[in-house]
Amino acid sequence: DQQVKQNSPSLSVQEGRISILNCDYTNSMFDYFLWYKKYPAEGPTFLISISSIKDKNEDGRFTVFLNKSAKHLSLHIVPSQPGDSAVYFCAASAGSSNTGKLIFGQGTTLQVKP
Amino acid sequence: GAGVSQSPSNKVTEKGKDVELRCDPISGHTALYWYRQSLGQGLEFLIYFQGNSAPDKSGLPSDRFSAERTGGSVSTLTIQRTQQEDSAVYLCASSPSSGTPSGNTIYFGEGSWLTVV
Repeated sequence: DQQVKQNSPSLSVQEGRISILNCDYTNSMFDYFLWYKKYPAEGPTFLISISSIKDKNEDGRFTVFLNKSAKHLSLHIVPSQPGDSAVYFCAASAGSSNTGKLIFGQGTTLQVKP
Repeated sequence: GAGVSQSPSNKVTEKGKDVELRCDPISGHTALYWYRQSLGQGLEFLIYFQGNSAPDKSGLPSDRFSAERTGGSVSTLTIQRTQQEDSAVYLCASSPSSGTPSGNTIYFGEGSWLTVV
């Protein structure tokens, strides 16, 4: 049972354009969502997060939107840069679990073309 | 070191052999997690440690998998009688505490690439 889904395995955008990565979840107990970026042969690194009490969080070129009724979140990167090319994972956590365990999606490979 | 350290970085083993993967978390981090990423898949939770105890080991795929943590620091993930489907990257992460995660306090290591032939 895949509780967090990233239905697009890959995305290609032109440098300077907007990248939109999508993520859907099924567990209504999830109350905290994160995006991680992963380069080849490296561990995932934290990018941005959002609590379920918000619907938007912005950090520089990165904005995460949360639509709780649709159980959907998205990551917007604007403008996209070639260095953004990586695998992006969304992850979710249920605060009630009290463990900090994250449930990850399958990842979306973003390629930003110069 | 400053980050989460994992060893070995790469391991090729024959089917049926046992393997041990080691994780050295950031000093002072009480929470430690093991995840697995198989080819084309997302990160799959395996086990969580708070100190030396493992309150959540729900992600361990079978009884061939076990993990321990000693001294509230180093953790070892052991896979017995390895199978080809065990081939994956095994990632360790640590955090100063458990509970609702703050993304910028969960740090991942670079992973141990396991190939079972």
